Amino acid sequence: KQEVTQIPAALSVPEGENLVLNCSFTDSAIYNLQWFRQDPGKGLTSLLLIQSSQREQTSGRLNASLDKSSGRSTLYIAASQPGDSATYLCAVKEAGTALIFGKGTTLSVSS
Amino acid sequence: DGGITQSPKYLFRKEGQNVTLSCEQNLNHDAMYWYRQDPGQGLRLIYYSQIVNDFQKGDIAEGYSVSREKKESFPLTVTSAQKNPTAFYLCASSISGQGRTNEKLFFGSGTQLSVL
Repeated sequence: KQEVTQIPAALSVPEGENLVLNCSFTDSAIYNLQWFRQDPGKGLTSLLLIQSSQREQTSGRLNASLDKSSGRSTLYIAASQPGDSATYLCAVKEAGTALIFGKGTTLSVSS
Repeated sequence: DGGITQSPKYLFRKEGQNVTLSCEQNLNHDAMYWYRQDPGQGLRLIYYSQIVNDFQKGDIAEGYSVSREKKESFPLTVTSAQKNPTAFYLCASSISGQGRTNEKLFFGSGTQLSVL
């Protein structure tokens, strides 16, 4: 059964720092991997989607990479800002199932 | 604006009571989903539906029921059989749910359910 793990569970950084969030999954037979942002008490907002045939996707200061063979993805945030403070979740899509989520990394960026 | 509307934002359940959470979407999506989120936990799938009048159980379906009579609506009922219902409930939708590699999931703003 697919399992998705995110490390670290929480991360605190000063403003301006570049940072990496990690996501690992146990079964490489995925359709895609998605990164989401969740603010406290809110729903999830899709940040990036990497299809199984792709290696990375970029949106502004965000860059996500995918290595299916090793079961890993990273979300790189450049020049972090206090507004980036949120919980970041990764999820994988397999055939015939809904998205399977990790527990998330809670990021705090201090000014 | 297109999107997913969940209501109410906050809901309180008394012992032995069934409560229904509403989810409506105007994105013309075929697939809809219900997830449960507990503090510090990831999302766990309760039920999903890929087409009207059809739905499948997720990992934690016990104590919950759903219906899909219209494409736009996917209400979730938390029954009295669910002994630990306090959680944040999220509804989501996608175009088809058929596994297109570029298919994104869109979420509503959630309903916080608490037990009185």
